[in-house]
Amino acid sequence: EPEVTQTPSHQVTQMGQEVILRCVPISNHLYFYWYRQILGQKVEFLVSFYNNEISEKSEIFDDQFSVERPDGSNFTLKIRSTKLEDSAMYFCASSDDGESTDTQYFGPGTRLTVL
Amino acid sequence: LAKTTQPISMDSYEGQEVNITCSHNNIATNDYITWYQQFPSQGPRFIIQGYKTKVTNEVASLFIPADRKSSTLSLPRVSLSDTAVYYCLVGVKSGGGADGLTFGKGTHLIIQP
Repeated sequence: EPEVTQTPSHQVTQMGQEVILRCVPISNHLYFYWYRQILGQKVEFLVSFYNNEISEKSEIFDDQFSVERPDGSNFTLKIRSTKLEDSAMYFCASSDDGESTDTQYFGPGTRLTVL
Repeated sequence: LAKTTQPISMDSYEGQEVNITCSHNNIATNDYITWYQQFPSQGPRFIIQGYKTKVTNEVASLFIPADRKSSTLSLPRVSLSDTAVYYCLVGVKSGGGADGLTFGKGTHLIIQP
């Protein structure tokens, strides 16, 4: 069964550093998403991406965040200058062309630790 | 978005049937009901989705009464590996959209031997 993959599984960085989280969505999917989950809290939507542009973003997704699909397979989330409060699990998800349901397929996540 | 209410936690035993009910009193006409499952340190996983009546797949059943103001996820013969958080989401079927999902706190289901 096809699945979403994410790398790295765990990233440790110093406050103020830039990090790039990588995702490979399911190959025939057209919609891509990033979510985050701070330890012990809810899964929170960050951004959705379609047709090479951002479709929707939450209040969390401020100027420190950016997303990119640099080639036909990868989807990245960049945090320009990390803060302690950016420590969380970051999940990438993808869904198909919308003819089906609201089913989004999530990756295993990247645990980001900001020191 | 329709607000959902579900129990914070539930306990059951291996081999039992578990029913988790979700209330969504202000569900809109074109909203679907979707359930996701999340194990610790993993991403949410789609379980089942429905609009009305009953939907069944290899993992679970979803019962939706005629007024659609609630829904019940039924897990038959649970095992220890069903211990997870279960989320009820209500929203529009994404026909061409790219809507982010809104997760609540979910129901933490604990299965004991």
